[in-house]
Amino acid sequence: DTEVTQTPKHLVMGMTNKKSLKCEQHMGHRAMYWYKQKAKKPPELMFVYSYEKLSINESVPSRFSPECPNSSLLNLHLHALQPEDSALYLCASSQDGSGAMNTEAFFGQGTRLTVV
Amino acid sequence: RKEVEQDPGPFNVPEGATVAFNCTYSNSASQSFFWYRQDCRKEPKLLMSVYSSGNEDGRFTAQLNRASQYISLLIRDSKLSDSATYLCVVNAHPPSSNTGKLIFGQGTTLQVKP
Repeated sequence: DTEVTQTPKHLVMGMTNKKSLKCEQHMGHRAMYWYKQKAKKPPELMFVYSYEKLSINESVPSRFSPECPNSSLLNLHLHALQPEDSALYLCASSQDGSGAMNTEAFFGQGTRLTVV
Repeated sequence: RKEVEQDPGPFNVPEGATVAFNCTYSNSASQSFFWYRQDCRKEPKLLMSVYSSGNEDGRFTAQLNRASQYISLLIRDSKLSDSATYLCVVNAHPPSSNTGKLIFGQGTTLQVKP
């Protein structure tokens, strides 16, 4: 099973709303990632969690707040977003975060977010 | 200079053609390398890992040249279903970190025509 599950698949939110994106994997992976992808662009890394600790924050604005409640779950809390934050948000996981050989990442289907 | 560079294409080829994609990376400390495929409005899916010895999976062959910091993907006997964006991905550690991060090239678009 190489499945990463993301919910919701689509989300429309206003600029004053608070919402959360959820990601789950049961592959025993210890590294989990959030990526943002705009149309016709590659995914851009936002956060990396390694062994449930935030390991990398790519200078993401504080209106995006990640959380890793346990080794299988990853959340992204959203608050006071801007229309330019509309994008596909992808979660991924890999065996570990070491970057060693064969640590390929598996992606969820993404949440398509629209901020109005 | 971008950390991972690819020719964005598009590559328009007839069915049955052989097509090659290239990718260069800037971080010599990069440890692992991958090709992903992404269909329109879908998530990236792992196509294959890339090893120094080269590896082949059916019609697909990937090569890594660490000295030149260069990665390639060869697709033989192209099918209509190969039409997609192919993303070169490199796993590298930022300074003072023991966690790697996957860095994506901008992707190369392939359109296979009948």
